[in-house]
Amino acid sequence: DAGITQSPRHKVTETGTPVTLRCHQTENHRYMYWYRQDPGHGLRLIHYSYGVKDTDKGEVSDGYSVSRSKTEDFLLTLESATSSQTSVYFCAIGQIYGYTFGSGTRLTVV
Amino acid sequence: ELKVEQNPLFLSMQEGKNYTIYCNYSTTSDRLYWYRQDPGKSLESLFVLLSNGAVKQEGRLMASLDTKARLSTLHITAAVHDLSATYFCAVDIPQGAQKLVFGQGTRLTINP
Repeated sequence: DAGITQSPRHKVTETGTPVTLRCHQTENHRYMYWYRQDPGHGLRLIHYSYGVKDTDKGEVSDGYSVSRSKTEDFLLTLESATSSQTSVYFCAIGQIYGYTFGSGTRLTVV
Repeated sequence: ELKVEQNPLFLSMQEGKNYTIYCNYSTTSDRLYWYRQDPGKSLESLFVLLSNGAVKQEGRLMASLDTKARLSTLHITAAVHDLSATYFCAVDIPQGAQKLVFGQGTRLTINP
């Protein structure tokens, strides 16, 4: 299995504060993704990366930014957290014949 | 814009019965995935279907792909309680960079 870890696993933060979630992979995959999961919506793509410093927006990118300064790390930042960003966030890596997902980060914005 | 729709969204069934989950998608794609998710857990890959007519089976689950109809099915045979989970289908966007679009998920509950 590809090594992919997310941190933190759980976070509670206050409205208006910035928050950064980290995704780390150990196998040098080019493609990395951030999804959010909400009831009734499945998983929706926030941002993705196809290489160092190469990123693009997904379906629900408003209020989020990303950075990828090293192949192994993909950071998701909520610039000013809102209650609508309470969700479970999954990082994924894209491989030749599939995608592997991290364990998820449960974020609560109060 | 690629849209993926699953039905049903909720399914409650008895052990021993058979049932099918359907996944429709709106634009051409040659690659479809099925995932399983248990409560509070990540997504576990079940099947990758890469071509028209592809059929894959693992235990009591069988998945198929009809790219002409833009339809995939996940068939459950003689359901057992351990198969209770949420099942997602997902499709690769056919143009540009590699990325997945998910269906809404089907929450499957299997009762003794």
